Amino acid sequence: DIQMTQSPSYLSASVGDRVIITCQASQDIGNFLNWYQQKPGKTPKILIYDAAYLEPGVPSRFSGSGSGTDFTLTISSLQPEDFATYYCQQYDNLPPIFTFGPGTKVDMK
Amino acid sequence: QITLKESGPTLVKPTETLTLTCSFSGFSLRDSGVAVGWVRQTPGMALEWLALVYWSDDKRYSPSLKSRLAITKDIPRSQVVLRMTNMDPVDTATYFCVHRRPLYGLFSHWGRGTLVTVSS
Repeated sequence: DIQMTQSPSYLSASVGDRVIITCQASQDIGNFLNWYQQKPGKTPKILIYDAAYLEPGVPSRFSGSGSGTDFTLTISSLQPEDFATYYCQQYDNLPPIFTFGPGTKVDMK
Repeated sequence: QITLKESGPTLVKPTETLTLTCSFSGFSLRDSGVAVGWVRQTPGMALEWLALVYWSDDKRYSPSLKSRLAITKDIPRSQVVLRMTNMDPVDTATYFCVHRRPLYGLFSHWGRGTLVTVSS
């Protein structure tokens, strides 16, 4: 089974900061990697799909990169509404299996 | 507009079987490529994919929970049902119904979730 790790697990930052979250897969997953944002009391919301594609409607300060085993989510200038928990999620198609990372909580410094 | 809503018991006893129903609208499980499934979130906030059923009736399960899960679809009622046997306190979680975006490996729509507590 593919295992996903994220770092850091917790991040304290200020409005305007550049924030980078990393996600690592235990084996090569190509670009089959998505990023979600979850705010307290809300459901996860897709931000980035297939490692680097911005979901329509998501602000351009969010970007994703990487392939193989190492991926990053970057927030270029943190906004007040971005304080949330971020999860990466990998998927296999043959057979379909989905695995989430443990999450990174971004909190206000 | 796609919506999903979970229903089921909020409390189950250890060893019992959990049955959850997802009622959805805005799409049909007759349509090619469509899939509906379940994801749970523990009190510690970890997310875990459980199961998925496709328009073709292909069914996929988390390898670690496969022996305990069964997912079915009811097209006329626009519902998907998940059964999980032999419930344990570690299965206490919020259970979400999710819609997989056709041709993509992501969950584009989520129900609000239902908290299930396993306790005697």
